[in-house]
Amino acid sequence: GAVVSQHPSRVICKSGTSVKIECRSLDFQATTMFWYRQFPKQSLMLMATSNEGSKATYEQGVEKDKFLINHASLTLSTLTVTSAHPEDSSFYICSAVLGQRNTIYFGEGSWLTVV
Amino acid sequence: RKEVEQDPGPFNVPEGATVAFNCTYSNSASQSFFWYRQDCRKEPKLLMSVYSSGNEDGRFTAQLNRASQYISLLIRDSKLSDSATYLCVVNPNTGNQFYFGTGTSLTVIP
Repeated sequence: GAVVSQHPSRVICKSGTSVKIECRSLDFQATTMFWYRQFPKQSLMLMATSNEGSKATYEQGVEKDKFLINHASLTLSTLTVTSAHPEDSSFYICSAVLGQRNTIYFGEGSWLTVV
Repeated sequence: RKEVEQDPGPFNVPEGATVAFNCTYSNSASQSFFWYRQDCRKEPKLLMSVYSSGNEDGRFTAQLNRASQYISLLIRDSKLSDSATYLCVVNPNTGNQFYFGTGTSLTVIP
């Protein structure tokens, strides 16, 4: 079964609005979660590392004021795309790490379309 | 040099063929290695971890070569359903830093 759950799976929003994506760890606590973006036929790109109870760590080139990350509990991290533009349309995926071998488990992903 | 390098392909093979992908890594102290499968418009899903002694799961065999710093994935008797992108992931230490390959595209042709 799923280890990490992400919601919504698809969202369409108008340009200039904000949209929130949720990532939940199921049956385990995740002090750290990761957010990625993937454009069609391209590689996964790490956007930020979400840390429970503290600020997220953003990768170079990712605007922290545009991509707001909140990790308020040990099972939930949220990514809010603020003032969305059509170029923000992409596949957003979260992940968490579990187990002694530090295995990554991904959420189902969220397709964002900004119109 | 990139932390992880992977041939993007595409690999187009006939049904029943054997195909192998390699993924090289730069940090010799890397601890954990994984292969993921990503279907079109879906999230990556864990295919198998790669153990030092090599490991097999049905038609899939994963190998680790520490001396040459690469991992491999061998798929025997390819099925149409094996068509996907195969992604290698390396954890250089026991922390939360991971390096991803670019993914290798495989298409199995009838």
